[in-house]
Amino acid sequence: TQLLEQSPQFLSIQEGENLTVYCNSSSVFSSLQWYRQEPGEGPVLLVTVVTGGEVKKLKRLTFQFGDARKDSSLHITAAQPGDTGLYLCAGAGDMRFGAGTRLTVKP
Amino acid sequence: GAGVSQSPSNKVTEKGKDVELRCDPISGHTALYWYRQSLGQGLEFLIYFQGNSAPDKSGLPSDRFSAERTGGSVSTLTIQRTQQEDSAVYLCASSSPGARLYTGELFFGEGSRLTVL
Repeated sequence: TQLLEQSPQFLSIQEGENLTVYCNSSSVFSSLQWYRQEPGEGPVLLVTVVTGGEVKKLKRLTFQFGDARKDSSLHITAAQPGDTGLYLCAGAGDMRFGAGTRLTVKP
Repeated sequence: GAGVSQSPSNKVTEKGKDVELRCDPISGHTALYWYRQSLGQGLEFLIYFQGNSAPDKSGLPSDRFSAERTGGSVSTLTIQRTQQEDSAVYLCASSSPGARLYTGELFFGEGSRLTVL
Protein backbone atom coordinates (compact mmCIF):
# COMPACT_ATOMS: atom_id res chain seq x y z
CA THR A 1 0.00 0.00 0.00
CA GLN A 2 1.35 3.37 -1.01
CA LEU A 3 0.67 5.86 1.78
CA LEU A 4 0.01 9.51 1.02
CA GLU A 5 0.43 12.25 3.60
CA GLN A 6 -1.28 15.56 3.06
CA SER A 7 -0.50 18.84 4.76
CA PRO A 8 -1.73 20.99 6.25
CA GLN A 9 -4.75 19.11 7.55
CA PHE A 10 -6.74 22.32 7.94
CA LEU A 11 -6.30 25.75 6.35
CA SER A 12 -8.45 28.83 6.86
CA ILE A 13 -7.61 31.95 4.88
CA GLN A 14 -9.15 35.20 3.69
CA GLU A 15 -10.39 35.72 0.16
CA GLY A 16 -7.61 36.92 -2.10
CA GLU A 17 -4.77 35.13 -0.31
CA ASN A 18 -2.52 32.55 -1.93
CA LEU A 19 -1.96 29.08 -0.53
CA THR A 20 -0.14 25.83 -1.16
CA VAL A 21 -1.07 22.35 0.01
CA TYR A 22 1.09 19.27 -0.21
CA CYS A 23 0.85 15.57 -0.89
CA ASN A 24 3.87 13.46 0.03
CA SER A 25 4.83 9.81 -0.06
CA SER A 26 7.88 7.64 0.34
CA SER A 27 6.73 5.65 -2.70
CA VAL A 28 7.01 6.46 -6.38
CA PHE A 29 3.76 6.95 -8.28
CA SER A 30 3.27 6.47 -12.00
CA SER A 31 0.77 9.30 -11.81
CA LEU A 32 -1.09 11.20 -9.15
CA GLN A 33 -4.52 12.77 -8.96
CA TRP A 34 -6.06 15.66 -7.07
CA TYR A 35 -9.75 15.70 -6.20
CA ARG A 36 -11.91 18.37 -4.56
CA GLN A 37 -14.92 17.53 -2.44
CA GLU A 38 -17.48 20.19 -1.68
CA PRO A 39 -19.87 19.82 1.27
CA GLY A 40 -22.61 17.27 0.64
CA GLU A 41 -21.08 15.98 -2.57
CA GLY A 42 -18.67 13.31 -3.72
CA PRO A 43 -15.08 14.15 -4.70
CA VAL A 44 -14.49 15.38 -8.25
CA LEU A 45 -11.26 14.99 -10.17
CA LEU A 46 -9.34 18.22 -10.72
CA VAL A 47 -6.21 16.98 -12.45
CA THR A 48 -3.91 14.04 -13.13
CA VAL A 49 -0.15 14.62 -13.20
CA VAL A 50 1.95 12.02 -14.93
CA THR A 51 5.48 13.22 -15.66
CA GLY A 52 8.05 14.01 -12.98
CA GLY A 53 8.48 17.78 -12.75
CA GLU A 54 5.22 18.38 -14.59
CA VAL A 55 3.28 21.56 -13.92
CA LYS A 56 -0.38 21.86 -14.83
CA LYS A 57 -2.53 24.94 -14.52
CA LEU A 58 -6.29 25.02 -14.12
CA LYS A 59 -7.32 28.68 -13.96
CA ARG A 60 -6.05 29.86 -10.55
CA LEU A 61 -4.89 26.37 -9.53
CA THR A 62 -1.34 25.20 -10.26
CA PHE A 63 -0.40 21.56 -9.75
CA GLN A 64 3.15 20.30 -9.64
CA PHE A 65 4.46 16.74 -9.63
CA GLY A 66 7.83 16.24 -7.99
CA ASP A 67 10.82 15.24 -10.09
CA ALA A 68 11.02 11.90 -8.30
CA ARG A 69 7.24 11.39 -8.61
CA LYS A 70 6.88 10.95 -4.85
CA ASP A 71 5.18 14.23 -4.05
CA SER A 72 2.89 16.87 -5.43
CA SER A 73 1.69 20.33 -4.55
CA LEU A 74 -1.38 22.39 -5.29
CA HIS A 75 -1.05 26.18 -5.30
CA ILE A 76 -4.12 28.41 -5.40
CA THR A 77 -3.72 32.04 -6.35
CA ALA A 78 -6.15 34.67 -5.07
CA ALA A 79 -8.37 32.15 -3.30
CA GLN A 80 -12.12 32.61 -3.48
CA PRO A 81 -14.92 31.32 -1.21
CA GLY A 82 -15.85 28.90 -4.00
CA ASP A 83 -12.50 27.17 -3.48
CA THR A 84 -13.68 25.99 -0.07
CA GLY A 85 -13.64 22.22 0.21
CA LEU A 86 -11.63 19.12 0.98
CA TYR A 87 -8.64 18.59 -1.32
CA LEU A 88 -7.60 14.96 -1.69
CA CYS A 89 -4.72 13.31 -3.49
CA ALA A 90 -4.48 9.71 -4.69
CA GLY A 91 -2.27 7.60 -6.86
CA ALA A 92 -4.05 7.26 -10.20
CA GLY A 93 -5.81 3.92 -10.31
CA ASP A 94 -5.04 3.34 -6.62
CA MET A 95 -7.81 2.80 -4.13
CA ARG A 96 -6.50 4.82 -1.24
CA PHE A 97 -6.53 8.55 -0.72
CA GLY A 98 -4.58 10.87 1.49
CA ALA A 99 -6.45 12.24 4.51
CA GLY A 100 -6.98 15.53 2.70
CA THR A 101 -6.59 19.23 3.36
CA ARG A 102 -9.75 21.00 4.45
CA LEU A 103 -9.67 24.52 3.03
CA THR A 104 -11.95 27.33 4.15
CA VAL A 105 -11.82 30.64 2.30
CA LYS A 106 -13.56 33.44 4.16
CA PRO A 107 -15.13 36.31 2.22
CA GLY B 1 -28.63 8.21 -15.26
CA ALA B 2 -25.28 9.56 -16.33
CA GLY B 3 -23.61 9.49 -12.94
CA VAL B 4 -23.13 7.19 -9.96
CA SER B 5 -26.37 6.89 -8.04
CA GLN B 6 -26.58 6.01 -4.34
CA SER B 7 -29.56 5.28 -2.16
CA PRO B 8 -30.80 6.10 0.33
CA SER B 9 -29.29 9.56 0.57
CA ASN B 10 -30.00 9.57 4.30
CA LYS B 11 -30.64 6.70 6.69
CA VAL B 12 -31.32 6.89 10.40
CA THR B 13 -31.34 3.62 12.26
CA GLU B 14 -31.20 2.28 15.77
CA LYS B 15 -28.16 0.62 17.23
CA GLY B 16 -28.23 -3.11 16.53
CA LYS B 17 -30.28 -2.92 13.34
CA ASP B 18 -28.99 -4.02 9.93
CA VAL B 19 -28.76 -1.54 7.04
CA GLU B 20 -28.28 -1.87 3.30
CA LEU B 21 -26.84 0.85 1.11
CA ARG B 22 -27.12 0.69 -2.66
CA CYS B 23 -24.84 1.91 -5.43
CA ASP B 24 -25.64 2.10 -9.15
CA PRO B 25 -22.36 2.72 -11.00
CA ILE B 26 -21.98 4.45 -14.33
CA SER B 27 -23.10 2.09 -17.09
CA GLY B 28 -20.17 0.12 -18.48
CA HIS B 29 -17.85 0.82 -15.55
CA THR B 30 -16.32 -2.45 -14.42
CA ALA B 31 -14.65 -1.20 -11.25
CA LEU B 32 -16.63 -0.21 -8.16
CA TYR B 33 -15.37 1.13 -4.85
CA TRP B 34 -16.91 1.77 -1.44
CA TYR B 35 -15.49 4.34 0.97
CA ARG B 36 -16.49 5.57 4.40
CA GLN B 37 -16.10 9.20 5.41
CA SER B 38 -16.58 10.10 9.04
CA LEU B 39 -17.46 13.69 9.92
CA GLY B 40 -14.65 16.02 8.97
CA GLN B 41 -12.38 13.18 7.89
CA GLY B 42 -10.90 11.84 4.66
CA LEU B 43 -11.93 8.78 2.68
CA GLU B 44 -11.47 5.36 4.27
CA PHE B 45 -11.28 2.61 1.66
CA LEU B 46 -13.65 -0.29 2.35
CA ILE B 47 -13.92 -2.64 -0.63
CA TYR B 48 -13.17 -2.82 -4.36
CA PHE B 49 -14.81 -4.85 -7.13
CA GLN B 50 -13.26 -5.29 -10.56
CA GLY B 51 -15.16 -7.30 -13.16
CA ASN B 52 -15.43 -10.96 -12.25
CA SER B 53 -12.36 -10.95 -10.01
CA ALA B 54 -12.56 -11.66 -6.30
CA PRO B 55 -13.23 -8.38 -4.48
CA ASP B 56 -10.53 -6.68 -2.44
CA LYS B 57 -12.07 -6.63 1.03
CA SER B 58 -8.95 -5.47 2.83
CA GLY B 59 -10.53 -2.22 4.03
CA LEU B 60 -13.61 -3.66 5.71
CA PRO B 61 -13.35 -2.68 9.40
CA SER B 62 -15.11 -5.73 10.85
CA ASP B 63 -17.08 -8.82 9.89
CA ARG B 64 -20.27 -6.81 10.38
CA PHE B 65 -19.53 -5.18 7.03
CA SER B 66 -20.08 -6.98 3.73
CA ALA B 67 -20.74 -6.04 0.14
CA GLU B 68 -22.01 -7.71 -2.98
CA ARG B 69 -22.03 -6.76 -6.61
CA THR B 70 -24.65 -8.56 -8.65
CA GLY B 71 -24.32 -8.97 -12.40
CA GLY B 72 -21.26 -6.76 -12.46
CA SER B 73 -23.36 -3.66 -11.95
CA VAL B 74 -25.33 -2.69 -8.84
CA SER B 75 -23.62 -3.09 -5.48
CA THR B 76 -25.04 -3.33 -1.98
CA LEU B 77 -23.08 -2.57 1.17
CA THR B 78 -24.56 -4.26 4.23
CA ILE B 79 -23.79 -3.33 7.81
CA GLN B 80 -25.08 -5.78 10.39
CA ARG B 81 -25.80 -4.95 14.03
CA THR B 82 -24.98 -1.30 13.50
CA GLN B 83 -23.03 0.61 16.12
CA GLN B 84 -22.89 4.33 16.76
CA GLU B 85 -19.34 4.47 15.41
CA ASP B 86 -20.70 3.30 12.05
CA SER B 87 -22.30 6.73 11.61
CA ALA B 88 -20.68 8.26 8.54
CA VAL B 89 -21.19 9.06 4.89
CA TYR B 90 -20.70 6.01 2.70
CA LEU B 91 -19.43 6.91 -0.76
CA CYS B 92 -19.45 4.74 -3.85
CA ALA B 93 -17.28 5.32 -6.90
CA SER B 94 -16.86 3.63 -10.25
CA SER B 95 -14.28 3.65 -13.00
CA SER B 96 -13.51 1.96 -16.30
CA PRO B 97 -10.03 0.41 -16.20
CA GLY B 98 -10.61 -1.38 -19.48
CA ALA B 99 -11.38 1.76 -21.44
CA ARG B 100 -8.96 2.69 -24.18
CA LEU B 101 -8.46 6.17 -22.75
CA TYR B 102 -8.54 5.12 -19.10
CA THR B 103 -7.12 7.84 -16.88
CA GLY B 104 -7.66 6.27 -13.47
CA GLU B 105 -10.41 8.75 -12.66
CA LEU B 106 -12.91 7.70 -10.05
CA PHE B 107 -16.47 8.97 -10.43
CA PHE B 108 -18.23 9.35 -7.11
CA GLY B 109 -21.84 9.35 -6.05
CA GLU B 110 -23.13 11.87 -3.54
CA GLY B 111 -23.04 9.33 -0.74
CA SER B 112 -25.42 7.80 1.76
CA ARG B 113 -25.39 9.48 5.16
CA LEU B 114 -25.91 6.90 7.90
CA THR B 115 -26.82 7.93 11.43
CA VAL B 116 -26.94 5.25 14.10
CA LEU B 117 -28.81 6.32 17.23
